[in-house]
This record gives sequence, structure tokens and C-alpha cells, in this order.
Amino acid sequence: QITLKESGPTLVKPTQTLTLTCTFSGFSLSTSGVGMGWVRQPPGKALEWLALTYWDDDKRYSPSLKNRLTITKDTSKNQVLLTMTNMDPADTATYYCAVLYSSSWYEYFHHWGQGTLVTVSS
Amino acid sequence: QSVLTQPPSASGTPGQRVTISCSGSTSNIGSKTVNWYQQFPGTAPKVLIYGSNQRPSGVPDRFSGSKSGTSASLAISGLQSEDEADYFCSAWDDSLNGWVFGGGTKLTVL
Repeated sequence: QITLKESGPTLVKPTQTLTLTCTFSGFSLSTSGVGMGWVRQPPGKALEWLALTYWDDDKRYSPSLKNRLTITKDTSKNQVLLTMTNMDPADTATYYCAVLYSSSWYEYFHHWGQGTLVTVSS
Repeated sequence: QSVLTQPPSASGTPGQRVTISCSGSTSNIGSKTVNWYQQFPGTAPKVLIYGSNQRPSGVPDRFSGSKSGTSASLAISGLQSEDEADYFCSAWDDSLNGWVFGGGTKLTVL
């Protein structure tokens, strides 16, 4: 059974750096074809992809946010971290981590964490 | 402004068939498979369709997906009250080198 859980601060001040942790179980991030991504959703708005790390340590970032994002994985701890610098009230959102399954024909996020709401306010 | 375009709302009565469209471009839907996610208020998204037309185990066959050119569609037949949710399409974009999502469609069962 695959489980994922996001953790981190619920409130950050503008200009601060946010670090979120996704702790997972039920699969290995060392397995070929597996990746872990972060997706956020401002209240009442659409999903927005942020970053992705693959089993082979390949990493991808949203072009609009790449200068502010860092994704790292700790395979031994079954954790993936997302760091976002220079937080702004516009970054207020629920942040989800999700497992990506990748094959020759398709890729999709097949399991999602429950999400964690991060509010940016002074 | 989302890269993939969906109608903000859709509705139908129980038993009806409803379709939700998702329009993209050659760099995403035109060259990649499409995924659809269902999201209930206050909960995480759940994959409904992957690979444009594949259903994960446990998803009723009332849900189906299709793709043609740079557009994709999600069809729900035999609409039920529990289908009332938000639906998002998604695809990899080769130009942006990242995942893109639609703005979401809120489905109301009348």
C-alpha cells in the first residue's frame, strides 16, 4: 500500500524560504520508472506543477519558478524535499506530493499525498 | 491562464452522458498522452484516466477518455450524484519541459 504525507510549516512570512518534506512508503524511489513530484493548488484555483525528481536523479522544474525551487530526494529515508525561496502571499496554496509512474507510453501521477496548506503572510 | 483549456463548468442529470473537453497544442496533447484527475472538495486529486484512455483499477467503466489531435475529452456515462467533483486534464509539455494542467471543470449533477 502506497502512502505519502507532506509536512512542513503552515505559515511562513514573505521573503522566507519554505521547506516541505514528503515522507512515503510502499514503493522505492530507486525503482526504474518511478518519480516524485510536487504540485500546488491555490484556494479555489487550478493545479500547478512545481518540480519532479526521477529514480535516476534527473530533475525538472516549472520554468516560471525554477529559480526559486530545489527538489532533493533521500532514498534511504524515503523522503523527498522541496525548497522554495522568497515566498510571497501569491504562493499561498495547498502543496501536494505525488508519485509518478513512467513507462514508454505514458506517465502519470498515480498516488497523491493529502496535501498541506501553506499560508504566506506577515 | 492555464496552458490546457477546459470549460469552467459542466452539468447533467442523473443517468445522462456528459463530456468535458481539454484543448492544448502540438507540444502537449498533440504529442503526448493525456491524464485526467478527479478532485472532491478538500481532498487530493485522484487519477481517473491515464495514457489518454486507460482506466486505473477501481475506476468505473462509466468513465472514458479519448484524444484527437490537440484536444482530449473525458466522458462520463450514466451520471451519478457522486460524480459531482472537479476534473482536471494534464499532459507533459515538450516546449515547457514540464507538466501542464487545465484550469479544471466543476461538474454539477442536477
